[in-house]
Amino acid sequence: QKEVEQDPGPLSVPEGAIVSLNCTYSNSAFQYFMWYRQYSRKGPELLMYTYSSGNKEDGRFTAQVDKSSKYISLFIRDSQPSDSATYLCAMSGGKLIFGQGTELSVKP
Amino acid sequence: NAGVTQTPKFRVLKTGQSMTLLCAQDMNHEYMYWYRQDPGMGLRLIHYSVGEGTTAKGEVPDGYNVSRLKKQNFLLGLESAAPSQTSVYFCASSSPVTPMFAETQYFGPGTRLLVL
Repeated sequence: QKEVEQDPGPLSVPEGAIVSLNCTYSNSAFQYFMWYRQYSRKGPELLMYTYSSGNKEDGRFTAQVDKSSKYISLFIRDSQPSDSATYLCAMSGGKLIFGQGTELSVKP
Repeated sequence: NAGVTQTPKFRVLKTGQSMTLLCAQDMNHEYMYWYRQDPGMGLRLIHYSVGEGTTAKGEVPDGYNVSRLKKQNFLLGLESAAPSQTSVYFCASSSPVTPMFAETQYFGPGTRLLVL
């Protein structure tokens, strides 16, 4: 079993939709949770960073961590075609483990 | 400020050939990393360095060697390439925080390697 599981998609939504991206994990040592965005043929870039449980909001993006369920989410409100990318969750607790990424396409 | 750059962008090798991938960063970061990204596998850490002259093994180090002779450069070597090393290779760098691996990493644009 992988330490971090992420549905690879692809996920296709119309412009303006609310997008929910999720990851589950098995390692209780993970304390730091990140979402990286990766455009096609580019390197990943950090989008959101949270410590422990709770929510964090940044513009149209909200990151949510539920440590009791070992589940993290990234919500994108009013999705735009420019949000089309692969979203990678990542978790840290003595090591950094990435999910396999979810490919998102936002159609105009 | 170029950030993290990688050379080359794309390379085709034959089985058994050797090559070196170069990563350079101009952010004065102490830590540097090499990852490989494969479909369905996410990013996996090959080797990393916590400072000039230091290197350490990551999750998938076999078949690769690294060197960090200068703070701004991190080299990844393949001594005898195998088809299983066909992948996209990403370099990253970061400033140190405690605990390690909780810091923000800055990635380069990647090198696509095909081993025939």
